[in-house]
This record gives sequence, C-alpha cells and structure tokens, in this order.
Amino acid sequence: GAGVSQTPSNKVTEKGKYVELRCDPISGHTALYWYRQSLGQGPEFLIYFQGTGAADDSGLPNDRFFAVRPEGSVSTLKIQRTERGDSAVYLCASSLTGTTSDTQYFGPGTRLTVL
Amino acid sequence: QQPVQSPQAVILREGEDAVINCSSSKALYSVHWYRQKHGEAPVFLMILLKGGEQKGHEKISASFNEKKQQSSLYLTASQLSYSGTYFCGTDSGGSNYKLTFGKGTLLTVNP
Repeated sequence: GAGVSQTPSNKVTEKGKYVELRCDPISGHTALYWYRQSLGQGPEFLIYFQGTGAADDSGLPNDRFFAVRPEGSVSTLKIQRTERGDSAVYLCASSLTGTTSDTQYFGPGTRLTVL
Repeated sequence: QQPVQSPQAVILREGEDAVINCSSSKALYSVHWYRQKHGEAPVFLMILLKGGEQKGHEKISASFNEKKQQSSLYLTASQLSYSGTYFCGTDSGGSNYKLTFGKGTLLTVNP
C-alpha cells in the first residue's frame, strides 16, 4: 500500500514568510509525528498526534511553529515568520497505535530553505 | 536524553562485518533501528523491546542489553546496498510514544 507522503518535497522561502508543510500518513494509522532533521543529525522530535489531538507538542521550538490534524488523517505543520535557522528537512512519520513497541514509518521529508 | 552512537563512521569492503552501538544514560524501554540513504526517508530495520532480546533481519541483527542500557546492530557479510547512515531511536523516558534519535553512524561499503 501507499506509504507516508509529504508535500512539497522542497520549499524555498524568504525570511519572514509563512510556510505550510503537509503530511499524508498511512491509511488507518492513528499516530502521527513530525520531526526536524538538520545536516549530520538524527531526526529531532517536534510533535505527536494521537487522532486529531496533539498529545505532545513539547518539541516545537517556539510559538512560530504550529501543527494541526483536524480530521485525524492529514496533518499540516505551519511555520510563521520563518528564520534562516528554520532551514532543515522536516520529516513526518506515522504508526498504527503510537506506542514505542510499534513501527514508525517515515515519509520522504520536505526540505525547507529559508533565504 | 540523546543516545550516543559509535562509531561515528565506518568504511568496509564488501563482505566484511560491522557493529554499530547505541548507548543511553537512562533505562531503555525500546530501541528502534533505521537506515537512511542520502536524500531519502529513514527506513525501518527493527525494534527491540525491553527484555534483552536479539532480533534478526536477513544478514542484519541486533541485540538489546537492558542492564548496560545499550543496543548493538550487527551487519554481517556487508553488501553495497548496506551503505547509508544508521540511526537508533530510543524510548528511555517511559513515555511509550516518543523516540529520541542518536546522531547516526555513516556506513560506507566499497567494492
């Protein structure tokens, strides 16, 4: 079946602009995660959704970052007033149940470049 | 707390073996191993759960030592396709949903 998909694959924006990154999880997966990956680093946790609700948003760096999952499927990560330090690959992952005994399947990521 | 992976990088010739380690300063509840090729998504390899088990996946296997708070990934008779960066993700806070990833180990397999 289809895996996790993310759009766009690349996004170039100017400092101060607003961006939205979209994630389509595997059908039927209740858990959805957003991670950020900088060059030479592992994925860094941003936020975890269980269904429609954000169960843990402790990894969001500041209040410029926000994510939604209104119908418990597709999720959008929103970044306001982008800064050059926001440049990274943003990865989305989904899992069937959300426990750590369950596999997280990653999407291909969105490479965000802030000029 | 971020797990520590070692070595940071390793270069092999096809057919050679390698071991990648993942250590935590906190008790581990689960360890997830992924391989990521440049510009691609991390690909799931295996999960090891609390209980000190060992798992195998083709010529790739892993162990989990609860007492030592570490996991090791074993790659035997390496193939060119094994090249990539290997990450361990750990649940050491007992959250039951959140993984913290190490910085990765870059494995290069040459002909």
